[in-house]
Parts: sequence; structure tokens; C-alpha cells
Amino acid sequence: GAGVSQTPSNKVTEKGKYVELRCDPISGHTALYWYRQSLGQGPEFLIYFQGTGAADDSGLPNDRFFAVRPEGSVSTLKIQRTERGDSAVYLCASSLYSQYTGELFFGEGSRLTVL
Amino acid sequence: GQQVMQIPQYQHVQEGEDFTTYCNSSTTLSNIQWYKQRPGGHPVFLIQLVKSGEVKKQKRLTFQFGEAKKNSSLHITATQTTDVGTYFCAAINYGGSQGNLIFGKGTKLSVKP
Repeated sequence: GAGVSQTPSNKVTEKGKYVELRCDPISGHTALYWYRQSLGQGPEFLIYFQGTGAADDSGLPNDRFFAVRPEGSVSTLKIQRTERGDSAVYLCASSLYSQYTGELFFGEGSRLTVL
Repeated sequence: GQQVMQIPQYQHVQEGEDFTTYCNSSTTLSNIQWYKQRPGGHPVFLIQLVKSGEVKKQKRLTFQFGEAKKNSSLHITATQTTDVGTYFCAAINYGGSQGNLIFGKGTKLSVKP
């Protein structure tokens, strides 16, 4: 597709369940980013991939959060034992090279609600 | 880690009035980016500033990067209802292993027709 695609657009789950969120970046973009955004807040950095490797995962809040990008394209953000505080919009973005060289293209986000 | 502070948090203007949002950092920034997020939408890139004292214009929008590269501003002349949204500045945080782009909390602009 022409833009960054994220699925699902909405996910409602119960506390303690496992969740996977998928991101399909713009074709050819080597850098991929995960952010999460709570209501009224700016995007909060989670993790940044350059190719297949996580170049910076310092934003992951704890070990319940994990992300992969096995072939350097699609990425999956995995959240174990979800908590109500994990409720937010999870945004994925990609850029052609790295964030030092230009704009991030964001997807529409996956809204996660943990009951 | 590095933080960028944005003010004001909210701004309500009458259509046709000007609007300015400010972004401040306690440390020198290598560059700064600005994004706009419409209600219910996702952030969309507006511009990147790199040079000290840089000024860039996009139609009614004027972006400035301070001489010391510690602050930036976005000014909109004669606001229109289409300008409604939240404006974020973002800068590189070198606290991580390779640096990551951190966002301010944004300034939410509402425009009364």
C-alpha cells in the first residue's frame, strides 16, 4: 500500500491476556518505530528498528512488551499479561533511512483497550 | 533523557487570528521536527529545521529554530478552521543507544469560525 498500515485498528481485551499488534511500513523504508499515545499526550517512544534489528528499545516500559521485525519489513508489537494501564493508541511509523534524515510516516494506529 | 516542553497546552482563537506555539529544550538540539495531528487522526510531518536561526515558511505557517538551537516556534497567520488540531514538536533524544525521536505534549488549537 501507499502508506503505513496497522492492524487491528481496534482491539479490546481483558486484563491478563496476550495481544499482538501488526505494522506494515511503507515499502523500502528501512527504519520502523513504535510509539504509544494516551489521550491528550504526545506520542511516547517505545522502540526503533533499523532493518531487522532493534536499534533502540529503551522506551519499552517493561519486559511484558516485546517487538520483532524478522525480515526487515513487517513488525509485530507483542504485549503479554496486559494491564489496564496499557490502554492507548499504538502508533507505528516508518522512514526511508533513519530519524536523523527526515520525516516519519505514521499509520492510523491500533487502539488498545484493556478491560 | 532529553525533553522538549511545549507551550501553551491549549489555544482557542477566532478564525482569522494568529497562533503561535513554542517548543523549548534545556539542551542543544541537533534538529527539530514539527507534526500536526488532526482530531482522530495520526501525526503528519510538517517540517524539519536543522540550522541555527533557520526560518522556513509554508504558506501561512512560519517555523523558526532559535540561534542557540534550544527552542523553536510555529506561527500560523490568519488561522482557518482547517488549522484545527494538535501541533507537536519532536527532537532527537540521545539517551537511548542510538537516539530516538521524542515528542512534546503538543499544543491543541481550536478555531472558532
